[in-house]
Amino acid sequence: GNSVTQMEGPVTLSEEAFLTINCTYTATGYPSLFWYVQYPGEGLQLLLKATKADDKGSNKGFEATYRKETTSFHLEKGSVQVSDSAVYFCALSDPGSSASKIIFGSGTRLSIRP
Amino acid sequence: DAGVIQSPRHEVTEMGQEVTLRCKPISGHNSLFWYRQTMMRGLELLIYFNNNVPIDDSGMPEDRFSAKMPNASFSTLKIQPSEPRDSAVYFCASSLARRQFYGYTFGSGTRLTVV
Repeated sequence: GNSVTQMEGPVTLSEEAFLTINCTYTATGYPSLFWYVQYPGEGLQLLLKATKADDKGSNKGFEATYRKETTSFHLEKGSVQVSDSAVYFCALSDPGSSASKIIFGSGTRLSIRP
Repeated sequence: DAGVIQSPRHEVTEMGQEVTLRCKPISGHNSLFWYRQTMMRGLELLIYFNNNVPIDDSGMPEDRFSAKMPNASFSTLKIQPSEPRDSAVYFCASSLARRQFYGYTFGSGTRLTVV
């Protein structure tokens, strides 16, 4: 079945470090791919998305490229800030579902040290 | 747009009591999802609706859980009787089906504590 696998956390970095959070997926058809972010005490927010192969989603300095050949959608940011501390979820749409069902990964907790 | 609105934000109840969580989706969205989040199990999809009709409730843990969507602007998740292991944050999310590339909009969640 369709699934998402992302790197386990927690990930701890110093401010201004380069960030990569790996995400790979298994899917039939042509899913859309997403990164969601959850700040402490809040719900999940859509961070960025990509709807087809080679698309690059970007927002708030974060980027991820839809790589069909490697079935990956890794999240990157060139210089992280303390305010980026949160839990990040990789997700894909389920093309086989009748509604707009999205499958989430297990989440990666990111902590940024000042 | 006020976003997805959930109430209450926090609920503390005693074991055995009935708990009702409420959700108002974004106007115009026709899919609604209930999730549960715990440290141990992460984010679990409990049930989702399309055009007010339950499509998949396979994630509902047991018969103590029930969900309804009487109209396009309101849904409830009920637990009766509640147990301490039901303690979690419950999220509601909505979207526009067939426009799945837009993703979901989540509410702020209800933190449930059963003592």
